[in-house]
Amino acid sequence: KAGVTQTPRYLIKTRGQQVTLSCSPISGHRSVSWYQQTPGQGLQFLFEYFSETQRNKGNFPGRFSGRQFSNSRSEMNVSTLELGDSALYLCASSLSPGADNQPQHFGDGTRLSIL
Amino acid sequence: GDSVTQMEGPVTLSEEAFLTINCTYTATGYPSLFWYVQYPGEGLQLLLKATKADDKGSNKGFEATYRKETTSFHLEKGSVQVSDSAVYFCALSEGAGSSASKIIFGSGTRLSIRP
Repeated sequence: KAGVTQTPRYLIKTRGQQVTLSCSPISGHRSVSWYQQTPGQGLQFLFEYFSETQRNKGNFPGRFSGRQFSNSRSEMNVSTLELGDSALYLCASSLSPGADNQPQHFGDGTRLSIL
Repeated sequence: GDSVTQMEGPVTLSEEAFLTINCTYTATGYPSLFWYVQYPGEGLQLLLKATKADDKGSNKGFEATYRKETTSFHLEKGSVQVSDSAVYFCALSEGAGSSASKIIFGSGTRLSIRP
């Protein structure tokens, strides 16, 4: 069974640009969550999607957005990139929301560097 | 809000030493608790979990017990190996059941094992 797939693995952008990251969940998983990992702030929750609807959102500015498609694949978009957006962006999938017996499975992440 | 506090790293041990990584949490509800591991250049992998008080999670020789009275979920292993070198994250899920699957992570503890 294939794991969570994130593309691309590495990305270099400049300030002011926008970027779109992609996440394909494990087959059959319908919930997708996104996290930002930085040395200073650690792992922070961005948002969660289920059935093409955003169910939960972390404390990030509106420049960060996402969406989910009918096949459960998800994308996140960051507009007007800032140097502080440099991070490892991790996607996680689970069968459905609620982690009691359905832990989230993480992809290897997309490392975004802003010049 | 909910939070997770884990011991600062880095932790350096010799092979076959006993490992303890402390983790305490603050939560208003009854969270599920997790330990995730991150190897260099990779995403997070679920190491073990516990969903209710007094549950013991175990995997690959690692163990952690959900202690509600002390709000702790310390990670232990009796004899570490060089291959255990990684960053370990203690985490909790906010809410129970299907209400939410947002995960709150601790800051991570880097573990290095000397041969």
